[in-house]
Amino acid sequence: GQNIDQPTEMTATEGAIVQINCTYQTSGFNGLFWYQQHAGEAPTFLSYNVLDGLEEKGRFSSFLSRSKGYSYLLLKELQMKDSASYLCAALDSNYQLIWGAGTKLIIKP
Amino acid sequence: NAGVTQTPKFRILKIGQSMTLQCTQDMNHNYMYWYRQDPGMGLKLIYYSVGAGITDKGEVPNGYNVSRSTTEDFPLRLELAAPSQTSVYFCASSYSSQGEAFFGQGTRLTVV
Repeated sequence: GQNIDQPTEMTATEGAIVQINCTYQTSGFNGLFWYQQHAGEAPTFLSYNVLDGLEEKGRFSSFLSRSKGYSYLLLKELQMKDSASYLCAALDSNYQLIWGAGTKLIIKP
Repeated sequence: NAGVTQTPKFRILKIGQSMTLQCTQDMNHNYMYWYRQDPGMGLKLIYYSVGAGITDKGEVPNGYNVSRSTTEDFPLRLELAAPSQTSVYFCASSYSSQGEAFFGQGTRLTVV
């Protein structure tokens, strides 16, 4: 079956760095997405990786290893507004998105 | 820019009632999707469309129907509502299957 695994919850301190991991098992692979979702709101796009390596976008970076079925989202210089759920989603061979349950990130002052 | 507009935001239905969730986008996207999100679970695809006149089932289509008569609109119909359909529903659109998806604000539906 197809599966996305990511931690349920993580806690970090304001100003610090946090890495949210995601492992995926899909029938075929056409890329991996990260979305941010604040409580009670819709998901918003953060990143898309289809090739191995690190993509940096301001304070957020996303890494992909296709051979390991692994990705991570790296958040630097954490701010209180980064408190949210972070959703990992893999695009399978049929170009369908398989979503993880999300990682709730709690930022403490 | 309006983006993806989804209505209503909240709705309470009685078991057996029917309703339509409206979704419209103004970005001329071909791809549109309906998801449901249950607490502690990932988004589940209900139905999707790759263009006007074309719809297809996702992972959890039972109890739902869709239509896509125009590029802009993609309504979701719930027939004979059941408590298992209590969820938050999101409509989304994207330019391509590998493109960024834009989501509507969500509909919180409770079936009692």
